[in-house]
Amino acid sequence: GQQVMQIPQYQHVQEGEDFTTYCNSSTTLSNIQWYKQRPGGHPVFLIQLVKSGEVKKQKRLTFQFGEAKKNSSLHITATQTTDVGTYFCAGRAGSGNTGKLIFGQGTTLQVKP
Amino acid sequence: GAVVSQHPSRVICKSGTSVKIECRSLDFQATTMFWYRQFPKQSLMLMATSNEGSKATYEQGVEKDKFLINHASLTLSTLTVTSAHPEDSSFYICSARRPAGDLNTGELFFGEGSRLTVL
Repeated sequence: GQQVMQIPQYQHVQEGEDFTTYCNSSTTLSNIQWYKQRPGGHPVFLIQLVKSGEVKKQKRLTFQFGEAKKNSSLHITATQTTDVGTYFCAGRAGSGNTGKLIFGQGTTLQVKP
Repeated sequence: GAVVSQHPSRVICKSGTSVKIECRSLDFQATTMFWYRQFPKQSLMLMATSNEGSKATYEQGVEKDKFLINHASLTLSTLTVTSAHPEDSSFYICSARRPAGDLNTGELFFGEGSRLTVL
């Protein structure tokens, strides 16, 4: 079945350093979403990417969707302590927004002040 | 404020008892809700898709008789862990998606989660 792999599992950075998490799907995706889960909290939607090669930015966060629509990345520039949490990608096969979302294992980010 | 509310947030029960978890969509009518299980420091494992007015669709390996799902209204889905055992201890999270046709990105709105501890 469809699998979504995410690396690294953990990342410790010094505040101000950059951070990147990578997501790879075994199958072509119709879209991919990213979520952030703070310690003890629930996942919160960050963004959805739909188009091949799409790049979207949210302040210090840059999201990319690969040309083949099988991989994606989230890059955070100049991390802050508020960026701490686990970042999940979730890929959807099928068409539009009707297919099942498969979550990656998540990357847990720790930021040292 | 919260779009999806989940209750209870924490529950401790004795082995052999049943526990019901409620998931309410506060901001929209959700014909479909999803139930996940999350182990410490691990990802969200989809257990089942809850469909309003019909039977839930369970993922492979999830026991239907163990995890009873009822979606009796457009704003409420319940998950009942029957005859709970210590290995059922976990963090259970529900989510809902706005109805199709709305100007939405297909994002999932998650409940706050319910931490179940079975003694």
